[in-house]
Amino acid sequence: EPEVTQTPSHQVTQMGQEVILRCVPISNHLYFYWYRQILGQKVEFLVSFYNNEISEKSEIFDDQFSVERPDGSNFTLKIRSTKLEDSAMYFCASTPPRGEPLHFGNGTRLTVT
Amino acid sequence: AQRVTQPEKLLSVFKGAPVELKCNYSYSGSPELFWYVQYSRQRLQLLLRHISRESIKGFTADLNKGETSFHLKKPFAQEEDSAMYYCALSPSGTYKYIFGTGTRLKVLA
Repeated sequence: EPEVTQTPSHQVTQMGQEVILRCVPISNHLYFYWYRQILGQKVEFLVSFYNNEISEKSEIFDDQFSVERPDGSNFTLKIRSTKLEDSAMYFCASTPPRGEPLHFGNGTRLTVT
Repeated sequence: AQRVTQPEKLLSVFKGAPVELKCNYSYSGSPELFWYVQYSRQRLQLLLRHISRESIKGFTADLNKGETSFHLKKPFAQEEDSAMYYCALSPSGTYKYIFGTGTRLKVLA
């Protein structure tokens, strides 16, 4: 069964540095998402992406965040200048049409020191 | 405001006992509701969704619009059911899914 893949599984970075989290969604899916989960807290929506543009974003997704689909397969989340509070598990997900269940990747654990 | 509430952080039951994981939602429209499960060291995966009305791994969930609930039930818990369970809402006309805080289910031998 096809899966969403995310790399790296764990990223450690220093405060103020830029990070790029990578995802390869399932190939015939059209909608892509980033979620995050701070340790001990709930899974929070960050952004959704469809047809090469952001379709919806949360208040968490401020100017330091950006997403891109640089080629036909990758979907990236960039954090421009990381803060300590960005430390979390970041999940990529995809769905065929909207409203279908999310297919999640294994997540990238981001640790900002 | 659109919200999903899972009041229990942890639920411990003995093997063979019935399980009910509570989920309440706040949404004025017709909701799309899901239960996701995360087993240890595995990814979040769909367990079931309300529109399919099916039973997966012995679990069922019924949407009660009057009580705005979508509780997850299983008549006889098994040790392999131990996992983190998340209730999620997809409001119509949006792209986002709103998750509850999750309930950790521990099934004791």
